[in-house]
Amino acid sequence: LAKTTQPISMDSYEGQEVNITCSHNNIATNDYITWYQQFPSQGPRFIIQGYKTKVTNEVASLFIPADRKSSTLSLPRVSLSDTAVYYCLVGDRSGDDKIIFGKGTRLHILP
Amino acid sequence: DVKVTQSSRYLVKRTGEKVFLECVQDMDHENMFWYRQDPGLGLRLIYFSYDVKMKEKGDIPEGYSVSREKKERFSLILESASTNQTSMYLCASSPLSSGSLNEQYFGPGTRLTVT
Repeated sequence: LAKTTQPISMDSYEGQEVNITCSHNNIATNDYITWYQQFPSQGPRFIIQGYKTKVTNEVASLFIPADRKSSTLSLPRVSLSDTAVYYCLVGDRSGDDKIIFGKGTRLHILP
Repeated sequence: DVKVTQSSRYLVKRTGEKVFLECVQDMDHENMFWYRQDPGLGLRLIYFSYDVKMKEKGDIPEGYSVSREKKERFSLILESASTNQTSMYLCASSPLSSGSLNEQYFGPGTRLTVT
């Protein structure tokens, strides 16, 4: 399983764009990159998933360079309600189905 | 909307008690998971199941067992609760497929305190 490394915490201000980068140097050919968001006292919630290049949905964008050894979750114009922990996961379904969440990035949005 | 429910939001048990945590999902998902979450340690996988009566150990299965008698229900059992099992327990489910890492749907969690 590919190990991921992401910053422990980040601060930003309302209205700004926030980019959280995840490193996954030993990503395998079949691996996808998935990001989850978790608010206090709730279970994680799926945000976005990608394999390569760029993926965008109503919540975020995910940028994946050609070598796929890292990825960047981009949150446009954040608000206070985006304060949460963000997890980067790498893996596929053809293996043993174990999925490692890691410690995530604690994002704190300031007014 | 997928719904994953857990039997209790808060639970207090005594050391040595047998504890059952129940999880039910309503989306006919094949895969179900139990995690625990502790401050500074993120989510750690305890057990998962990809079919009825099937189970696989996760990263920290010691002190736990699971039961999946029906597709929609996945139970986590603490055979003899200990204080180091005080934690937030999260259940999740996902559909079966090949290829992409499937979206997991999480329940609200059960905060278990063992005294």
